[in-house]
Amino acid sequence: DAKTTQPNSMESNEEEPVHLPCNHSTISGTDYIHWYRQLPSQGPEYVIHGLTSNVNNRMASLAIAEDRKSSTLILHRATLRDAAVYYCILHGGTSYGKLTFGQGTILTVHP
Amino acid sequence: DVKVTQSSRYLVKRTGEKVFLECVQDMDHENMFWYRQDPGLGLRLIYFSYDVKMKEKGDIPEGYSVSREKKERFSLILESASTNQTSMYLCASSTPGRGVTDTQYFGPGTRLTVL
Repeated sequence: DAKTTQPNSMESNEEEPVHLPCNHSTISGTDYIHWYRQLPSQGPEYVIHGLTSNVNNRMASLAIAEDRKSSTLILHRATLRDAAVYYCILHGGTSYGKLTFGQGTILTVHP
Repeated sequence: DVKVTQSSRYLVKRTGEKVFLECVQDMDHENMFWYRQDPGLGLRLIYFSYDVKMKEKGDIPEGYSVSREKKERFSLILESASTNQTSMYLCASSTPGRGVTDTQYFGPGTRLTVL
C-alpha cells in the first residue's frame, strides 16, 4: 500500500472546525482513502472513507483533492470527545481488508 | 452495533509462560486481525484470518501463533512470552467479503506486561 504523511500533532478549540491534512502523493487509481481515529485507551474506530468524491457522514467530512494526492478530514465542530489520534490510510486492492496504520495525527481540543 | 470483545483488558505474565489472548466478534465477520501497538511504532499487524482455520502472517508474526476454530473467535498465542512482547494487543474484525471498502471494527485492547 502507498504511504501517507500526516502532521504529528494539531490543536483546536472546542466548537471550531478542524481540518486534518493527509498527503499521499503515490496513491494509485484503485486506492481508497480511509480515516480511523483512536480515542485514549480505546481501539481505533472507523471514521470515513472515499475514493474520488468528497464524502460526508455523521462524524466528519472527507475532502479529496482533484489529483487525489492529498485529502483532508474535516470535523465541523470539534468537541472534547474528538481528542484522539487520527489515522489516514490508503487501502487498495490488497485482499482480506488488511490496513497499514502510520503514526497518525494527535489532535488536542482545548475547552 | 458490531461488538468485538477481548478476554482481558490487562494481563501480567512471566517470561516463558504460554499466553492466550482471546477475541470474539458478534457480527459474523469473515476477516479477523491481531495487531500490537507500541509507542513510536504505531499499530503493526501480527496475523490475520480470512476464514475458519485459515490464517496469514502479517508484518511481525515472529514469536506468535494464532488459532481460528470458530468463525467468531480468533486467538493469539504467545508460545513462550518474552519481555519484548510487552505491548498493547488489539483485535479487529471486518465486514464480510473482500473489498477495498472493508471497515475494521476494533476491540478495546489487552495491555500485556511480561515480567
